[in-house]
Amino acid sequence: DIQMTQSPSTLSASVGDRVTITCRASQSISSWLAWYQQKPGKAPKLLIYKASSLESGVPSRFSGSGSGTEFTLTISSLQPDDFATYYCQQYNSYPLTFGPGTKVDIK
Amino acid sequence: EVQLVESGGGLVKPGGSLRLSCAASGFTFSSYSMNWVRQAPGKGLEWVSSISSSSSYIYYADSVKGRFTISRDNAKNSLYLQMNSLRAEDTAVYYCARDRPNGGTADYWGQGTLVTVSS
Repeated sequence: DIQMTQSPSTLSASVGDRVTITCRASQSISSWLAWYQQKPGKAPKLLIYKASSLESGVPSRFSGSGSGTEFTLTISSLQPDDFATYYCQQYNSYPLTFGPGTKVDIK
Repeated sequence: EVQLVESGGGLVKPGGSLRLSCAASGFTFSSYSMNWVRQAPGKGLEWVSSISSSSSYIYYADSVKGRFTISRDNAKNSLYLQMNSLRAEDTAVYYCARDRPNGGTADYWGQGTLVTVSS
């Protein structure tokens, strides 16, 4: 199985900050990586697919990069609505696996 | 508008069974692969099972293999998860999720249904 790790586990930031979250896979997954945002009590929301493709309707301040085993999610200017938990997920092979999550909270 | 509505969750004793349903609308259900993903209270996301559009391909997490069965009825626009031999560690919110049009990862999710396994 492919293991996914994320860093940091928690990130404290202020509105307007540039935020970067890193996701690593235990083996190469090419670009088969997605990023999700989840708020308490809500379903996850797809932000990025295929490592760097922005899902329709997602603000352009979100971007993804990377390939192989190392990936990043960047929020160029953090907005109040962005305080949430972010998960990466590989879909290179089954079983599909998620990272443990990165909680972005208010500094 | 794409809608996925889960139902069937509740409280069940260890060793018991439960069947979850997911009613889909707003898209051509028979053209999409579907998934179940769960989240234990206060924990992260865990993929449970996936089924292709025509049910030809089915996958399970090791943690549920042999106990859970995913199925779908394209005529009824519905996805199901039959859960048997339930354990305390199966306690979670279960989400139904649709794969993206070209497959791979989930773009639309339901609101989830809570399954609690406890005596």
